[in-house]
Amino acid sequence: QIQLVQSGPELKKPGESLKISCKASGYTFTDYAMQWVKQAPGKGLQYMGWINTQTGKPTYADDFKERFVFSLETSASTAYLQINNLKNEDTATYFCARWYPRIWFAYWGQGTLVTVSS
Amino acid sequence: DVVLTQTPVSLSVTLGDQASISCRSSQSLEYSDGYTYLEWYLQKPGQSPQLLIYGVSNRFSGVPDRFIGSGSGTDFTLKISRVEPEDLGVYYCFQATHDPNTFGAGTKLELK
Repeated sequence: QIQLVQSGPELKKPGESLKISCKASGYTFTDYAMQWVKQAPGKGLQYMGWINTQTGKPTYADDFKERFVFSLETSASTAYLQINNLKNEDTATYFCARWYPRIWFAYWGQGTLVTVSS
Repeated sequence: DVVLTQTPVSLSVTLGDQASISCRSSQSLEYSDGYTYLEWYLQKPGQSPQLLIYGVSNRFSGVPDRFIGSGSGTDFTLKISRVEPEDLGVYYCFQATHDPNTFGAGTKLELK
């Protein structure tokens, strides 16, 4: 069965960096794009962008064009979200989700809680 | 940017009732290829969101037929007939027709 398993919770200080992983299984990793979604505590969902798993080309929503980096390790069927120069407002749960033709978020990871606090 | 306005913000129901959620878009969501990229998701408490409906009215694999999506252009509705306990949570509409893709703010379905 299709599974997306994300790395565990993170506690970081402002200015630090982190890298979240999203390991896929149950399908051919390079056949489908990977999306990323942010959810601040008690808030709604915010679309961050996606990465083409065949070419590695990322596309970022406007709010995520600086400090955020999508990347891949295709040999490990894993997508990564790196956040640089962390700010308090980056405190959120971050989800990876797999695309399907004409479906943006067909399958979801369990989410990774990131807490940024001095 | 396209704004998706969901109403109501919260909805209190009795089990077995019908529930209806509206999602209105600030622009038509019909793409140039004729497809409408409007989806509905349910996020149960403490869980990841899950896909219910894609392309306005298509139920995803395993989604019960009590979930019915409808609408066109700028006006869309998700109906849940005979609400069951596992249907409680926050419902989001999402559009991928226009960049940037956007979510509605959510509708919380709770028990009366």
